Amino acid sequence: SQTIHQWPATLVQPVGSPLSLECTVEGTSNPNLYWYRQAAGRGLQLLFYSVGIGQISSEVPQNLSASRPQDRQFILSSKKLLLSDSGFYLCAWSVPRLPVTEAFFGQGTRLTVV
Amino acid sequence: AQKITQTQPGMFVQEKEAVTLDCTYDTSDPSYGLFWYKQPSSGEMIFLIYQGSYDQQNATEGRYSLNFQKARKSANLVISASQLGDSAMYFCAMREPQGAQKLVFGQGTRLTINP
Repeated sequence: SQTIHQWPATLVQPVGSPLSLECTVEGTSNPNLYWYRQAAGRGLQLLFYSVGIGQISSEVPQNLSASRPQDRQFILSSKKLLLSDSGFYLCAWSVPRLPVTEAFFGQGTRLTVV
Repeated sequence: AQKITQTQPGMFVQEKEAVTLDCTYDTSDPSYGLFWYKQPSSGEMIFLIYQGSYDQQNATEGRYSLNFQKARKSANLVISASQLGDSAMYFCAMREPQGAQKLVFGQGTRLTINP
């Protein structure tokens, strides 16, 4: 069966420090991968998505970047965190097929920038 | 571009009552998928139910059903016989069929079930 792992679960980082959040998927090949951010009490905003190794698309300009070094690995990074980067970050995957099916989410990382 | 609108920021319901959470969507694509997710306080996103744009019947999954009205572009979630454990944020979402098949979310509805 397919599973998704996302870590760490919580993170407190000082302003200006780097960030690396990792997400891996098991039990499937060539998934579509996504990074979402959720501000407190708000909906989910799509940050990045990837349809294959090395293929990254950004939805909104920001202080973050993403990479997909392996088929089932998706990494969210920042060189210097800002206070506004605080939030709940969710990684998700889906099978690229038609008709579309549901996306599956990791447990999320709660990032607090202080 | 696709857009999802959830107009109910919060809903309060008595236990065992049925509740309807509203969702309207906008898309120019004839093929799409509509989804509902539940997010408890732990933050995990739990998939509840799916409706395809070409499905003739409304989707049902246990106590969850989706009232799909294509002409009105609405996809309301109905929870029957609500339970205390149903208290959570609920998100309506849509997936486009092309490319990365991105999942676009509404702002969510916070449902509180009162004993």
